[in-house]
Amino acid sequence: NAGVTQTPKFRVLKTGQSMTLLCAQDMNHEYMYWYRQDPGMGLRLIHYSVGEGTTAKGEVPDGYNVSRLKKQNFLLGLESAAPSQTSVYFCASSPEGYEQYFGPGTRLTVT
Amino acid sequence: DQQVKQNSPSLSVQEGRISILNCDYTNSMFDYFLWYKKYPAEGPTFLISISSIKDKNEDGRFTVFLNKSAKHLSLHIVPSQPGDSAVYFCAASASNTGKLIFGQGTTLQVKP
Repeated sequence: NAGVTQTPKFRVLKTGQSMTLLCAQDMNHEYMYWYRQDPGMGLRLIHYSVGEGTTAKGEVPDGYNVSRLKKQNFLLGLESAAPSQTSVYFCASSPEGYEQYFGPGTRLTVT
Repeated sequence: DQQVKQNSPSLSVQEGRISILNCDYTNSMFDYFLWYKKYPAEGPTFLISISSIKDKNEDGRFTVFLNKSAKHLSLHIVPSQPGDSAVYFCAASASNTGKLIFGQGTTLQVKP
């Protein structure tokens, strides 16, 4: 039982490049989330999903897109990366939308 | 507009003493509150939670207190141990939204 896994762990992008972050969970959870963590800002919700095939915007959705084609996977896409998207990205899942289980994070640097 | 605030960026306590971490919120619709602990280079892990129908919840060395009238919650750790040194986030949820709003975090250092 791996819990929540994130791929990749580290990535460096140049401004304007695109990439996709993959989150996978093996707990059969309905809810999945993408957050970013910046110094002094805590965890801010980017997008979330309340079930397979659904997505919704969080606090800071601009510049990101998501997809949840399979219940166990939640993808976060950056179409045209900007230096302001340099951050640590965390994925989480939850059975009922309260207690959330987090992955180890992806450190993204945009130069 | 920061709906969940942790006004102390850091806290340092001596091993064996009590650690008190504070959190304030503004949204009266929040009805469930959680504390998470985060070590460097790891994801946050759930620590303890409390529903708005309670004013206290205890789990071993960790106790969370909720004061709804003041829109304030606190996490007490007693006795504090060096392994408790981490960043602590409080989070709040309004029922049926399916999402949490996090505070900025407080870095706790427990000195041996």
